[in-house]
Amino acid sequence: SQQGEEDPQALSIQEGENATMNCSYKTSINNLQWYRQNSGRGLVHLILIRSNEREKHSGRLRVTLDTSKKSSSLLITASRAADTASYFCATAGGGNKLTFGTGTQLKVEL
Amino acid sequence: NAGVMQNPRHLVRRRGQEARLRCSPMKGHSHVYWYRQLPEEGLKFMVYLQKENIIDESGMPKERFSAEFPKEGPSILRIQQVVRGDSAAYFCASSSALTPDYEQYFGPGTRLTVT
Repeated sequence: SQQGEEDPQALSIQEGENATMNCSYKTSINNLQWYRQNSGRGLVHLILIRSNEREKHSGRLRVTLDTSKKSSSLLITASRAADTASYFCATAGGGNKLTFGTGTQLKVEL
Repeated sequence: NAGVMQNPRHLVRRRGQEARLRCSPMKGHSHVYWYRQLPEEGLKFMVYLQKENIIDESGMPKERFSAEFPKEGPSILRIQQVVRGDSAAYFCASSSALTPDYEQYFGPGTRLTVT
């Protein structure tokens, strides 16, 4: 499997429900970041969590990081139709380049 | 403060032609990164540049692809003799040495279609 794999690949929920996406990676990291990409558009940075942090919140977003398991999760609470997008995790290792996962496609239905 | 700008947004080239993609980083940013996204996939790192220097080109194909970030002007990703497999979205990102964790800000991308 590749560095930075998201699970599930696709997720469909009702508006108001919570959405949880997971990301696994292989090598050691300095930080892990989550991005959102609307169909055919660029990436929007959501949140960054450093390797010495375990949990971080930003609005309706909650990110956890477990470096012992090399995994992270992104929770979106009280989802809205506007949250429909693809979500990617990206890891930053020793260099400055980001290694992206394959993404989770989230669909929030009314 | 304008964000990262890329042009053109869409580019159509015939096989064998050259493609030039431009990226203007955010004001004050001197680090530029290029990524490629194939359909239904995540972004793949191509190259990392600072002004007039290529820092890491480990993701660049060895042939036909080149990148530059001159002292003045935008960063250019150049693809010579394009083939259908080059069809993808190409994203540029920029960062500053002053930004915590070198957080990268992405442009809207250039969608290249090779016919």
